[in-house]
Amino acid sequence: GAVVSQHPSRVICKSGTSVKIECRSLDFQATTMFWYRQFPKQSLMLMATSNEGSKATYEQGVEKDKFLINHASLTLSTLTVTSAHPEDSSFYICSARDSARGPRNQPQHFGDGTRLSIL
Amino acid sequence: ELKVEQNPLFLSMQEGKNYTIYCNYSTTSDRLYWYRQDPGKSLESLFVLLSNGAVKQEGRLMASLDTKARLSTLHITAAVHDLSATYFCAESNYQLIWGAGTKLIIKP
Repeated sequence: GAVVSQHPSRVICKSGTSVKIECRSLDFQATTMFWYRQFPKQSLMLMATSNEGSKATYEQGVEKDKFLINHASLTLSTLTVTSAHPEDSSFYICSARDSARGPRNQPQHFGDGTRLSIL
Repeated sequence: ELKVEQNPLFLSMQEGKNYTIYCNYSTTSDRLYWYRQDPGKSLESLFVLLSNGAVKQEGRLMASLDTKARLSTLHITAAVHDLSATYFCAESNYQLIWGAGTKLIIKP
């Protein structure tokens, strides 16, 4: 089945560091990828929609200069948390749509998530 | 406002019992997803329901969709401990609109 690879799975770093998270679709092409954030015991919160070859669409309240998204190819999107602070600590999950399917029937495939801890 | 409401949010039950998780949604979407999440893990797709009256079953889990009532259910039959997890429903309107999740604990 379709696989989305996300790494790193865990990051622990000091405040002020920038952290890059990669999301790759391994056996399909994805014109659209989604980045989510999940706090403990809560549901997923969509941060942004990443579109190959164009700018990402950010949800209300998400700082685009803080969370930089690049979707330079049909199989890779990256999320960079710039100058991370302890409040950015969270579980970040990406998902990707299979572009080969029609828009009305595209499932989302999820990466394994990245647990980010900022000290 | 696009909204998905799940209930209950927390469910503790004994092995062998049956129970149902409910998912109400606010739009006219005819596409509903159920996911499972284990602690510290990402999401595992369980079911995709694509039309009114759709019913899908996998092992002890069965999901159904009533688009007229804007309701989906996830029914657990003869629960076993391994089914302990958090279950999310999400409806699709290009993006996924997520329910709050139901944390299910099944006691031996």
